[in-house]
Amino acid sequence: EADIYQTPRYLVIGTGKKITLECSQTMGHDKMYWYQQDPGMELHLIHYSYGVNSTEKGDLSSESTVSRIRTEHFPLTLESARPSHTSQYLCASSRDPRAEQYFGPGTRLTVT
Amino acid sequence: GNSVTQMEGPVTLSEEAFLTINCTYTATGYPSLFWYVQYPGEGLQLLLKATKADDKGSNKGFEATYRKETTSFHLEKGSVQVSDSAVYFCALTSPGSGGSNYKLTFGKGTLLTVNP
Repeated sequence: EADIYQTPRYLVIGTGKKITLECSQTMGHDKMYWYQQDPGMELHLIHYSYGVNSTEKGDLSSESTVSRIRTEHFPLTLESARPSHTSQYLCASSRDPRAEQYFGPGTRLTVT
Repeated sequence: GNSVTQMEGPVTLSEEAFLTINCTYTATGYPSLFWYVQYPGEGLQLLLKATKADDKGSNKGFEATYRKETTSFHLEKGSVQVSDSAVYFCALTSPGSGGSNYKLTFGKGTLLTVNP
């Protein structure tokens, strides 16, 4: 079983608040990813990192930012939450970009 | 670019029925192919994978064969159970433009409901 964790699992927050979604993995993987999953189930890559101090934007433009100061930790931050940010956010990691990715349980974010 | 097209759902079956979820792909180079499953309220789990042509991935009674000639990776199970109710995603990794920057490309997902 993969060891990748996300907190919180559920978050309801008001418009304008700053939030950070946490993601940690204990597998020593260099590659980490953030996906946004819309209600229609489709997954969109919003950020990825191939190692410490390396971050890139994904295929879907997002107002969120990420950081990678430690190998095991890849937090996602929204400076000012809006209702349009309401979604499920999934974190993943892999040992190699060609290999399978291991996913965390997700954070379901609701912005009111 | 890379793309994955999978059968649109929802799919509703009775317990012990045969399952097929079709998946076809377009990719540069030689992709690795995956099926992921997402149970309600959870993240994605790798169900099975195949890394080269004619490979068969299998797990928990599910199977899929990497068919390069038809660019397909259809998921099958001979007898589904209520506990198989979930969303199934077909996916691939392949180099992007310039032969680098591998990413995981997903299909849109197929919702399977199995009734007792």
